Amino acid sequence: QVQLQESGPGLVKPSETLSLTCAVSGYSISSGYYWGWIRQPPGKGLEWIGSIYHSGSTYYNPSLKSRVTISVDTSKNQFSLKLSSVTAADTAVYYCARHTPLGGRVDYWGQGTLVTVSS
Amino acid sequence: DIQMTQSPSSLSASVGDRVTITCQASQDISNYLNWYQQKPGKAPKLLIYDASNLETGVPSRFSGSGSGTDFTFTISSLQPEDIATYYCQQYDNGLTFGGGTKVEIK
Repeated sequence: QVQLQESGPGLVKPSETLSLTCAVSGYSISSGYYWGWIRQPPGKGLEWIGSIYHSGSTYYNPSLKSRVTISVDTSKNQFSLKLSSVTAADTAVYYCARHTPLGGRVDYWGQGTLVTVSS
Repeated sequence: DIQMTQSPSSLSASVGDRVTITCQASQDISNYLNWYQQKPGKAPKLLIYDASNLETGVPSRFSGSGSGTDFTFTISSLQPEDIATYYCQQYDNGLTFGGGTKVEIK
C-alpha cells in the first residue's frame, strides 16, 4: 500500500521560506509517476503547486513558479517543497500526492499538514 | 491556462435523490478530467478518472461522463455518507481544480 507522509514546521514567519518533506513508503519514487504538492487554504479549494518526476524534471504552477522549488531524493524515497517569501496568503493545508503522467489523476495523497504563516 | 468552472457551488438534496454536478473547461481537454470527494479534515479521494472510469473500490452509484469541454458527475442515489465537497480536476501541463461543490442533506 502506497503511503505518503508530510513533515515540516507548522509555523513560518512572513518573508521566510516554507520547507516540507514528503516521505513515500510502499512504492519506489524511482519506479515512475509524478510526485507533487497541492495546497488548500482554510475553507477554500485546492491549488496545485507543482510536481516532479523521478528523473528530477519539474513543472510548477505559473502563479507560484518564481517562489517554488521541488526536489527529489530517491535514496531516501522522499521529495521536498520549498516556497520562498511567504505571506499570510500561503497559510494552508499542504498535501503531497502521487499523480499519473497521463491524465494526471491523483491516486494517493498524504494526510496533509497545516502550515500557518504568522509572526 | 485552462480554467475549470464547476457548478453549483453547493446543493442540498434528500437521501435517495439523484445529484448532478457539472464542470466546464475553458478549452478542449479530451477526457483528462477527474473527480474527487473530500470530507472535512481529510485528503481528497479519487472517485472517477479519465471522465468516466470508476476508481477501484468506489461505489457504483458514482459516475462521470463527458469529453471535450463539458463534463458531468452524478450520484444516482444520494446516501448520508456522500456528504462532502466534490472537485473536478483537469490535467494539461499542470493540474487545475474546479471550485468545488458542497453537497448537503436536505
